[in-house]
Amino acid sequence: AQSVAQPEDQVNVAEGNPLTVKCTYSVSGNPYLFWYVQYPNRGLQFLLKYITGDNLVKGSYGFEAEFNKSQTSFHLKKPSALVSDSALYFCAVRKNFGNEKLTFGTGTRLTIIP
Amino acid sequence: DTGVSQDPRHKITKRGQNVTFRCDPISEHNRLYWYRQTLGQGPEFLTYFQNEAQLEKSRLLSDRFSAERPKGSFSTLEIQRTEQGDSAMYLCASSGRAGKHQETQYFGPGTRLLVL
Repeated sequence: AQSVAQPEDQVNVAEGNPLTVKCTYSVSGNPYLFWYVQYPNRGLQFLLKYITGDNLVKGSYGFEAEFNKSQTSFHLKKPSALVSDSALYFCAVRKNFGNEKLTFGTGTRLTIIP
Repeated sequence: DTGVSQDPRHKITKRGQNVTFRCDPISEHNRLYWYRQTLGQGPEFLTYFQNEAQLEKSRLLSDRFSAERPKGSFSTLEIQRTEQGDSAMYLCASSGRAGKHQETQYFGPGTRLLVL
């Protein structure tokens, strides 16, 4: 079985400060890891992914994430938060072969305070 | 390059009625996925197609649910005899054949279903 934990339901960050949204995962074998963002009443928008290679992955809108195999984590980060980053963020995992279904966490609501 | 589209965007129905949703994937994407998202939760996998073949179905997909992708392009998801517990956002995603982003699932805007 595969699973994702997002331990924080809500994260508040002042505009201009760095932000981190946490994610840990469980999967047999090597993982494919993803971050998506969801705005109100909208579908999910792809931000970035880890497939293989460098542990630090850069994605859209200045976001990046670091894959840590020993800690089974894939935390989302951004050096300087914008008010427009306020949204719901989902981490997802799947196996690197065979089963293609994504398993999502419960989401973290990020609020950037002006 | 247009994204994944879903129709309708919103559907209100009475308990016991049948509903059908449509998903049009990104052109030439051969894989198509359906997920369900309820309030306060992440999306949950329902089913997956590669071309016309339905390769996997979740245990969440009861016998009242059926999905098809007859020509390997658009897909439909039908719910028969709807129940209030079926109220949710139904999300469709697609992914491509090969290349840099073949593993990435791109999502549509979703169909929000409310069963009264």
